[in-house]
Amino acid sequence: GAVVSQHPSRVICKSGTSVKIECRSLDFQATTMFWYRQFPKQSLMLMATSNEGSKATYEQGVEKDKFLINHASLTLSTLTVTSAHPEDSSFYICSARITGTGGNSPLHFGNGTRLTVT
Amino acid sequence: QKEVEQDPGPLSVPEGAIVSLNCTYSNSAFQYFMWYRQYSRKGPELLMYTYSSGNKEDGRFTAQVDKSSKYISLFIRDSQPSDSATYLCAMSYSSGNTPLVFGKGTRLSVIA
Repeated sequence: GAVVSQHPSRVICKSGTSVKIECRSLDFQATTMFWYRQFPKQSLMLMATSNEGSKATYEQGVEKDKFLINHASLTLSTLTVTSAHPEDSSFYICSARITGTGGNSPLHFGNGTRLTVT
Repeated sequence: QKEVEQDPGPLSVPEGAIVSLNCTYSNSAFQYFMWYRQYSRKGPELLMYTYSSGNKEDGRFTAQVDKSSKYISLFIRDSQPSDSATYLCAMSYSSGNTPLVFGKGTRLSVIA
């Protein structure tokens, strides 16, 4: 149980284009999803908290107009990297908490999306 | 001082060894503790979830929490090459729907 599906797993795009990453909870509902970014040999850095039906909360230093987050349903959150630049190349990972399990329960992660901007 | 400190390694051990992975934290508001395993180019996978001080065992894995010392550990018995991965400790606060705070991760290699 608690499977999070993230798509695509890998994407290469040209500088200036936009890329959309989908995160789905397959067998549970997730009122809240979290988007992380991970650089090589580094830990996960929280980018934003996505809440179903409301605006996302972004961490300091994360541009909300560049990283658009939409959480339209209890099982789907999307992250769109707009006007991508090479420095946006990274590993993006979404995670979800099972609704109703309490705010301290573990997060369940997708398998990540490796974005390369050329 | 970072909220969560974890030695990044790398740590290399022979197959069958007992592995000890550790994290320290500075904020006593952390009350829930997790260990995740992350294989290369994959998302983190939950291994252990604990709240109380003391030990929790699951197969070859034992999680240990010492809240008085703000120190948590993960022990792996009879380590296997398939245990080679990065191990991340993570923590959350006692209230609120908050994200996890992660350690940097320790890269482990188990050599056959």
